[in-house]
Amino acid sequence: RKEVEQDPGPFNVPEGATVAFNCTYSNSASQSFFWYRQDCRKEPKLLMSVYSSGNEDGRFTAQLNRASQYISLLIRDSKLSDSATYLCVVNRGSYIPTFGRGTSLIVHP
Amino acid sequence: GAGVSQSPSNKVTEKGKDVELRCDPISGHTALYWYRQSLGQGLEFLIYFQGNSAPDKSGLPSDRFSAERTGGSVSTLTIQRTQQEDSAVYLCASSLAGTKGYNEQFFGPGTRLTVL
Repeated sequence: RKEVEQDPGPFNVPEGATVAFNCTYSNSASQSFFWYRQDCRKEPKLLMSVYSSGNEDGRFTAQLNRASQYISLLIRDSKLSDSATYLCVVNRGSYIPTFGRGTSLIVHP
Repeated sequence: GAGVSQSPSNKVTEKGKDVELRCDPISGHTALYWYRQSLGQGLEFLIYFQGNSAPDKSGLPSDRFSAERTGGSVSTLTIQRTQQEDSAVYLCASSLAGTKGYNEQFFGPGTRLTVL
């Protein structure tokens, strides 16, 4: 089993839709979790950290489920500009994170 | 402020040649990472620097790959005797290495390497 797994998609949704992605991790000792966004042919950029209590930033909500070992990202009221690949990042308390392969989102008019 | 910069942005080379890729991290960032990303694939970790030392070189795919960092700043990734399978985007990232482990990484725009 891969250390971090994501459904590659693509998730194809209309503008205004709500979409959610999950990311599962295999190491129960994982300590910190993040979502990065990568636009086509661009570098990844931090979207948000994922806290144990869950966190929200505008239309984006991230949650952590330690018992089932997954994190989720919910996007409400999708915009065309949300089209990108969303990378899940998990860290075991070292300086080297593990990146998932990403989930592709396509928002269409 | 200035972000992470990488040069060249594109490199086309012939099989068997050596190439050198450069990364200028954000000033003050002690941690520096090299990754590569093939088309449609995830990020593959290559090497991590803390200051000038590389505590983890486990991701380097072969002994043709080497990297160094000088002055706790600029890093170069060298690929000797390039092969076609080395074609990929090579991404550099830097971060503040705090006491609690991983911190947010800031990525450079990458070097797109094509080996003919």
